Amino acid sequence: GAVVSQHPSRVICKSGTSVKIECRSLDFQATTMFWYRQFPKQSLMLMATSNEGSKATYEQGVEKDKFLINHASLTLSTLTVTSAHPEDSSFYICSARAMDRLSPLHFGNGTRLTVT
Amino acid sequence: AQRVTQPEKLLSVFKGAPVELKCNYSYSGSPELFWYVQYSRQRLQLLLRHISRESIKGFTADLNKGETSFHLKKPFAQEEDSAMYYCAPPLDDKIIFGKGTRLHILP
Repeated sequence: GAVVSQHPSRVICKSGTSVKIECRSLDFQATTMFWYRQFPKQSLMLMATSNEGSKATYEQGVEKDKFLINHASLTLSTLTVTSAHPEDSSFYICSARAMDRLSPLHFGNGTRLTVT
Repeated sequence: AQRVTQPEKLLSVFKGAPVELKCNYSYSGSPELFWYVQYSRQRLQLLLRHISRESIKGFTADLNKGETSFHLKKPFAQEEDSAMYYCAPPLDDKIIFGKGTRLHILP
């Protein structure tokens, strides 16, 4: 089955530093990747949609300069949390979709970010 | 706006009893819906999709256009069904999840 690898699974960083999270589709080409944020005991909140080779589309209320998304190839998307603050601490999940909008999503294992 | 609603935050069902997880949608066109499941300490994964009309792990979901629903059903609950379930449509080019329903199977 389709596999999405997300790294790192956990990261602790100091306030003011930047953190990069990678999302790779290992055995399929992901034309679209999604980045979600999940708060404790809550559902996934869509942050942005990225299509290979084009700029990401951010959801309302998500700062694009803070959460930089790059989708340079059909198998890799990265989320960089810039100048991280403690309120950015959260669980970030990526997912990838092949082909068209009716294709299902395949999820990474998530990244637990803690900003101290 | 296109939306899905999962009215139950938590559903507790005894083992062996029937399960129905509700999902209602508001759509302007033909809906294409998915059910995703997240078991404890595992990643979110696809359970089943409306267009394939399949049965996975004993679960089925029928699209009812009259009631605008896509409820997930299983005739006999098993303990391993305890998980978080999300109904989700592709909305234009993105996937937005509802609040989800936690299914707790009682022994």
